Amino acid sequence: DTEVTQTPKHLVMGMTNKKSLKCEQHMGHRAMYWYKQKAKKPPELMFVYSYEKLSINESVPSRFSPECPNSSLLNLHLHALQPEDSALYLCASTFSYGAYEQYFGPGTRLTVT
Amino acid sequence: DAKTTQPNSMESNEEEPVHLPCNHSTISGTDYIHWYRQLPSQGPEYVIHGLTSNVNNRMASLAIAEDRKSSTLILHRATLRDAAVYYCILRDVEGGSEKLVFGKGTKLTVNP
Repeated sequence: DTEVTQTPKHLVMGMTNKKSLKCEQHMGHRAMYWYKQKAKKPPELMFVYSYEKLSINESVPSRFSPECPNSSLLNLHLHALQPEDSALYLCASTFSYGAYEQYFGPGTRLTVT
Repeated sequence: DAKTTQPNSMESNEEEPVHLPCNHSTISGTDYIHWYRQLPSQGPEYVIHGLTSNVNNRMASLAIAEDRKSSTLILHRATLRDAAVYYCILRDVEGGSEKLVFGKGTKLTVNP
């Protein structure tokens, strides 16, 4: 199984809502990532978890709150988002910190109204 | 992070070879060259990586210039499924960086 799954595929939320994005992998990977991709732009790194500990936060606003409950699961909790946060949110994983190949999920398309 | 420069777009015909160039004149000795691609409506997909020598895998070949200031991703026989945005990325593994810093990439169109 070389798949990273993300749910939901699409999400529409209001600026006062709280929602969560979920990412799962069962490849035994110990590093997991969140990226944000605006339309027609390249992906931008948001967070990196290594062995379930947050190792990189790219100065992301606190309205985005990541969580890694176990080595297979990565969540992104969303609260009080702005319309400019509308984007494709991508999850990725690698075997270990420093491994060459990142496996990406298909993404969650988020629209903030 | 060292920067890469790629053409915004390229076109190819099906079943012909495609050479996608990447310039990285400020590359350091410990930077690996990575290529990823992103098909429409999908997440990026690893293609290949290398340090100094040319590399081949089932998807593509990577030709690295002797001075390492440029590289070329070679798709030997393009198919319609190869239409995607191709990203050339430098990654300093020795620096312990986990970051993949994506540039703008090259949008490849494959004509039937």
